[in-house]
Amino acid sequence: EDQVTQSPEALRLQEGESSSLNCSYTVSGLRGLFWYRQDPGKGPEFLFTLYSAGEEKEKERLKATLTKKESFLHITAPKPEDSATYLCAVCRSGSARQLTFGSGTQLTVLP
Amino acid sequence: ETGVTQTPRHLVMGMTNKKSLKCEQHLGHNAMYWYKQSAKKPLELMFVYSLEERVENNSVPSRFSPECPNSSHLFLHLHTLQPEDSALYLCASSQAFGSDLNEQFFGPGTRLTVL
Repeated sequence: EDQVTQSPEALRLQEGESSSLNCSYTVSGLRGLFWYRQDPGKGPEFLFTLYSAGEEKEKERLKATLTKKESFLHITAPKPEDSATYLCAVCRSGSARQLTFGSGTQLTVLP
Repeated sequence: ETGVTQTPRHLVMGMTNKKSLKCEQHLGHNAMYWYKQSAKKPLELMFVYSLEERVENNSVPSRFSPECPNSSHLFLHLHTLQPEDSALYLCASSQAFGSDLNEQFFGPGTRLTVL
């Protein structure tokens, strides 16, 4: 059974204080790993897809990396508007539709 | 309308009621999904509809019944629900061709409360 564990559950940062969120996964053949951002009262918003170990993707202050066992979402010099819950999900080989999600990391960036 | 829309946004129902959730995608996608999001729990995939397959999570009770009349619309029919079914129900869509892996786009969700 596929498993995704995200840590920490919650993270409070001062504006400008860089940090990383972790997503550890166990899957029988990784097809792809997704990062989403979810604001309160809204659906998840797509950020990145990573396909193979060593791959990195960036978007503004966010950078996602992937190893064979985990993914990191690095946040550089965060701003209050980066406050949200960040979700990680994996898709196993042989399935292009079924995602297994982690419980998310709730990030709060204080001004 | 743009993206993925869901109606209603909020729903309160009794355990004996029958109601339906509606989802519409305006992205030209051909796969649609229902997810359940409960407090402090991961998103749980309930159903997948695409041109090639219909997938049902075996752990979803029969009191949840999906309907997908075409590639743009998805319904979730609810009957005889339990209080533990209270959650945020999210609809998503994606482009699906063969084994291509494409990101899913989510709607805003329907907040369901079962009394």
